[in-house]
Amino acid sequence: KQEVTQIPAALSVPEGENLVLNCSFTDSAIYNLQWFRQDPGKGLTSLLLIQSSQREQTSGRLNASLDKSSGRSTLYIAASQPGDSATYLCAVLTGANSKLTFGKGITLSVRP
Amino acid sequence: GAGVSQSPSNKVTEKGKDVELRCDPISGHTALYWYRQSLGQGLEFLIYFQGNSAPDKSGLPSDRFSAERTGGSVSTLTIQRTQQEDSAVYLCASSPQSGGVYTDTQYFGPGTRLTVL
Repeated sequence: KQEVTQIPAALSVPEGENLVLNCSFTDSAIYNLQWFRQDPGKGLTSLLLIQSSQREQTSGRLNASLDKSSGRSTLYIAASQPGDSATYLCAVLTGANSKLTFGKGITLSVRP
Repeated sequence: GAGVSQSPSNKVTEKGKDVELRCDPISGHTALYWYRQSLGQGLEFLIYFQGNSAPDKSGLPSDRFSAERTGGSVSTLTIQRTQQEDSAVYLCASSPQSGGVYTDTQYFGPGTRLTVL
């Protein structure tokens, strides 16, 4: 059974800091790994998707890497801003039914 | 274009009552998913519809939960005889499944917050 872990559960940083959010998964037989953002009371927004054959993806100030063999991914946020405050969820796609298995998320607070 | 919509946004019900939650996926998306997000538990897969295939119900927690998808579009999640532990945010997602499983992403609705008193 696939399990996804995100540690720590919460993080508070000052504005401008570069930061790394970690994600680990137990079964390396994945199709892709995705990072989502969730704002309070809102649904999930897809940030980056890394296919199983890829090592990283970049979008603006965000960079996500994938090491499938070790079951790890990181989301790098450059020059953090208060608007980046949200919960960041990591999810892996496994199985024929396209089932996403999620971590519990990391709640990020960027202080002005 | 329009995203995934869900209704109601909030639902408060009494223990033992039945509830229906609705999801309108993005037009043209063949796949539809229901997830449940409980406090401290993370997102939990419930059920998956793909086209005309039989749904994958492997995530439904009990036989009080059921879902249907009519005409390959709108979906309804029904919870019978609600219990307090059913309180959660129920999220719906859809995906086009047009680019293959490696690149497919899911688009989420805002969710329905269910509170069972």
